[in-house]
Amino acid sequence: DAMVIQNPRYQVTQFGKPVTLSCSQTLNHNVMYWYQQKSSQAPKLLFHYYDKDFNNEADTPDNFQSRRPNTSFCFLDIRSPGLGDTAMYLCATSREGRWAAEAFFGQGTRLTVV
Amino acid sequence: DQQVKQNSPSLSVQEGRISILNCDYTNSMFDYFLWYKKYPAEGPTFLISISSIKDKNEDGRFTVFLNKSAKHLSLHIVPSQPGDSAVYFCAATIIQGAQKLVFGQGTRLTINP
Repeated sequence: DAMVIQNPRYQVTQFGKPVTLSCSQTLNHNVMYWYQQKSSQAPKLLFHYYDKDFNNEADTPDNFQSRRPNTSFCFLDIRSPGLGDTAMYLCATSREGRWAAEAFFGQGTRLTVV
Repeated sequence: DQQVKQNSPSLSVQEGRISILNCDYTNSMFDYFLWYKKYPAEGPTFLISISSIKDKNEDGRFTVFLNKSAKHLSLHIVPSQPGDSAVYFCAATIIQGAQKLVFGQGTRLTINP
């Protein structure tokens, strides 16, 4: 059974039109991450939540925001997508503690901005 | 600044032989290293990890070696099987920090029958 679920799997949006990607987890993990992966590049961390504490990476554009209404759900909002935001977006979770580094990933949402 | 590098974008190995995937890192603060495997249309899945206090960790057909002085790690798969064909990502983190994973670009491994 899938433990980290991302919706939708594929999303096409118009340039400048806000889009929201969702992630849910059944693992009850307290840490949730959003990664952006462009073609043939390394996944790049955008931000993460440690419980309710939001941690933004220094180079994450202001265009990208996130919400975590409860432990199970986390959303990635792109306020005004540009063509350069076309990428795979990966959600991951981990549990605080020694093995927190072994994050569990969802299947990803492939976003295309046209 | 690419802190974790996988310099081989692709690797092709014959079934039954050994596959060796390499990874280099620049940040000496990293103390925990992981390998993830990714099939098309799926998210990365954890494969094997190693702490900086060790130089080798083995799990079945998979062995990870860490050379701290060279800031280099490698993943050995032996014997390689067709189901091992996937993209392999190396990742590193600092355990006592925010435990954020820093990934390499990935190596696409193809196992030929």
